[in-house]
Amino acid sequence: GAVVSQHPSWVICKSGTSVKIECRSLDFQATTMFWYRQFPKQSLMLMATSNEGSKATYEQGVEKDKFLINHASLTLSTLTVTSAHPEDSSFYICSASPGTSGRADTQYFGPGTRLTVL
Amino acid sequence: QKEVEQNSGPLSVPEGAIASLNCTYSDRVSQSFFWYRQYSGKSPELIMSIYSNGDKEDGRFTAQLNKASQYVSLLIRDSQPSDSATYLCAVSRGGADGLTFGKGTHLIIQP
Repeated sequence: GAVVSQHPSWVICKSGTSVKIECRSLDFQATTMFWYRQFPKQSLMLMATSNEGSKATYEQGVEKDKFLINHASLTLSTLTVTSAHPEDSSFYICSASPGTSGRADTQYFGPGTRLTVL
Repeated sequence: QKEVEQNSGPLSVPEGAIASLNCTYSDRVSQSFFWYRQYSGKSPELIMSIYSNGDKEDGRFTAQLNKASQYVSLLIRDSQPSDSATYLCAVSRGGADGLTFGKGTHLIIQP
């Protein structure tokens, strides 16, 4: 149980284009989804938190107009990197929290999306 | 500023021995603590969660939490070569709070 998928698993795009990444919880409803970014040899850094039907909360230093997050349903969140530049090249990983009784904050991670901007 | 500190390693342990991984955190409000395993190029995989002071055991893994010392550890008994990976310590204030990760400890189990 607690499976999270991401699509695509990797993407290469030209500078200035936009890229959309989907994150789905396959066997549970996710009240909260999170987006992280991991640069080479670095740890995961939280970018934003999204709750179904409401606006995402972005971490300090993350541009909300550049990284558009939509959490349209309890099983789907999308991250759109707008006008991507080479410095946006990274490993983007989503996670989802079931929000079940007991402990609401256990997060299950998707397999990640490797973005390369040329 | 929430910070999670881990020794980056590499930590080399003979097969069959106990691997001990440590983590300290700065945010005293932290309520939830996690250990994730990450293989190169892959996303993190949850190993253990711990919320109360003391020890929590799950198979070959034991997590230890000391909130007064702001310290979390993970013991891996009977280490196997497949345990070789980067181990990430993560903390959260709980609820819908995101995770703050350490940089991870690279563990190598020598056959």
